[in-house]
Amino acid sequence: SYVLTQPPSVSVAPGQTARITCGGNNIGSKSVHWYQQKPGQAPVLVVYDDSDRPSGIPERFSGSNSGNTATLTISRVEAGDEADYYCQVWDSSSDHPGAVFGGGTKLTVL
Amino acid sequence: EVQLVESGGGLVQPGRSLRLSCAASGFTFDDYAMHWVRQAPGKGLEWVSGISWNSGSIGYADSVKGRFTISRDNAKNSLYLQMNSLRAEDTALYYCAKARTYSYGQGPVDYWGQGTLVTVSS
Repeated sequence: SYVLTQPPSVSVAPGQTARITCGGNNIGSKSVHWYQQKPGQAPVLVVYDDSDRPSGIPERFSGSNSGNTATLTISRVEAGDEADYYCQVWDSSSDHPGAVFGGGTKLTVL
Repeated sequence: EVQLVESGGGLVQPGRSLRLSCAASGFTFDDYAMHWVRQAPGKGLEWVSGISWNSGSIGYADSVKGRFTISRDNAKNSLYLQMNSLRAEDTALYYCAKARTYSYGQGPVDYWGQGTLVTVSS
């Protein structure tokens, strides 16, 4: 089955840029979606189809995907961005696709 | 406003069954695929099952295949998850989630409910 690998944690100072990676075999050939989850809350979609943003998500959130790594970039990080972030793709290697999530990355704002 | 409200969680003994429900509102339910996603305490997200807009295509995670059954009633704007032969490792918060497309096997989840807690323990 397809595996997505994320770093367990990323730390960044306010105002700086955070980059959260999501590794997978030839992930560049798949569409990657990113979710933000704050403690005690349901996840929120922040980037879909590699680099598109849902309405209401700040432009500070952006995504890219190439080769074996997809990246969520958060510019001008704010304290309110502190959360767990998950990447997700569809594994279509069988007749019935399955959604795959990365293990999650905890973003700490110093 | 999209709303997804789960119900049916609780404490259940290993080997027993439980049925989760999700009441959807604020969107045209039968235009979209739906999913169940779970999160064990302190752990990450795990996709459980998905169903296309017309129930024509359904998928399950290997961890629940043969034990769980997803279904939907478009007339009632409702999604269900029948969980049989429950195990301790099924303990989790179960989220009802709306897909961004009509097909379950593509695209992201764009709305999530608040979840219903299932605890499997003797």
